[in-house]
Amino acid sequence: QSVLTQPPSASGTPGQRVTISCSGSSSNIGSNYVYWYQQLPGTAPKLLIYRNNQRPSGVPDRFSGSKSGTSASLAISGLRSEDEADYYCAAWDDSLSGFNWVFGGGTKLTVL
Amino acid sequence: QITLKESGPTLVKPTQTLTLTCTFSGFSLSTSGVGVGWIRQPPGKALEWLALIYWDDDKRYSPSLKSRLTITKDTSKNQVVLTMTNMDPVDTATYYCAHNSHNWFDPWGQGTLVTVSS
Repeated sequence: QSVLTQPPSASGTPGQRVTISCSGSSSNIGSNYVYWYQQLPGTAPKLLIYRNNQRPSGVPDRFSGSKSGTSASLAISGLRSEDEADYYCAAWDDSLSGFNWVFGGGTKLTVL
Repeated sequence: QITLKESGPTLVKPTQTLTLTCTFSGFSLSTSGVGVGWIRQPPGKALEWLALIYWDDDKRYSPSLKSRLTITKDTSKNQVVLTMTNMDPVDTATYYCAHNSHNWFDPWGQGTLVTVSS
């Protein structure tokens, strides 16, 4: 059971816009930055979005992130076949149990 | 260019201690603000953060695994070592190390699959 909640799957056709949600709490998303990682099949995760909505160099502007309260979203516009991957949200959690990086359960994106 | 690579046993027996080494290049763990973390991923499952060590030797552990984990660094060798005691089949996973700067993980190593089985 992951601390951050994501839908297990999402899908879209080429060219469409899809969004993936990530729900947390006041101790993680509500008070800290959100990060998004893309994991292509058989590869290591790659940073996609940092500090809620910033893209590292090399990440297409088709990818965008947003945060509101204790939830965050990743949007992918102009969907392409190479976007088919698992997507994970992450955040720093500072609860009573101590500081802790927490991840979402991951969302498998299928490009139909 | 920052690169990291994990190394260690591919198979460990239940109750044994796992020792993994992350060897990196392209940055120094003596630079202020820099850290190296470990994250694992059981087959077909989600990512789980394990531990993080900073340039100043500050160490952070997953609360749920803290009693079993130890993270250390050797700055001169550009290595970070993670040990996990009392391994169990549920610890079977791909273990990744990752560079941490400005408080996010990027990039990650390729990962190493560790299977726990008798």
